[in-house]
Amino acid sequence: AQSVTQPDIHITVSEGASLELRCNYSYGATPYLFWYVQSPGQGLQLLLKYFSGDTLVQGIKGFEAEFKRSQSSFNLRKPSVHWSDAAEYFCAVGLSGNTPLVFGKGTRLSVIA
Amino acid sequence: NAGVTQTPKFRVLKTGQSMTLLCAQDMNHEYMYWYRQDPGMGLRLIHYSVGEGTTAKGEVPDGYNVSRLKKQNFLLGLESAAPSQTSVYFCASSQDRAQPQHFGDGTRLSIL
Repeated sequence: AQSVTQPDIHITVSEGASLELRCNYSYGATPYLFWYVQSPGQGLQLLLKYFSGDTLVQGIKGFEAEFKRSQSSFNLRKPSVHWSDAAEYFCAVGLSGNTPLVFGKGTRLSVIA
Repeated sequence: NAGVTQTPKFRVLKTGQSMTLLCAQDMNHEYMYWYRQDPGMGLRLIHYSVGEGTTAKGEVPDGYNVSRLKKQNFLLGLESAAPSQTSVYFCASSQDRAQPQHFGDGTRLSIL
């Protein structure tokens, strides 16, 4: 069955440290890939997306993600985390056809001083 | 530009009561979605619509009904609320299946 896995339920990083959030998917073809962020009490906001082309994608708020076909991964990175980045992050995957996006279960990011 | 607006933001129901959640989008999007979010479960798709007058079941459709009579509105109904339906409900819309989804701020629903 098609699936999206975010292996880390909760990650804690120090402010100013680098961040990498993992996302793996199990699909045969190259999917459409998205990362969303959800602040407490809010809806999801799109950080970045990958459809095709350059496998390193830049997003908002200084985030980037790299698509690695060989590893079926689309990991989210940020070189220096700010306290305001504390939130929940969701990876989502889409395929051709009318099937809606499939979301991972999310990774909660905590930022400490 | 309001984007996606959900009404109400909070609601408490008693078991067996019915209610309708309203989602309105002003972006002329074709696709609309209803999700529920529960701790540790991520987002689960309840129902979705690929255009006015259409609806389709998602991952967890039981106990819910939907209607898309107008392109800009997508209604989620609970005919007989159950405590298991206590959740935060999110509506989203997108221009097509491959485009990013735009989310509302959610409806927090508690069923006693």
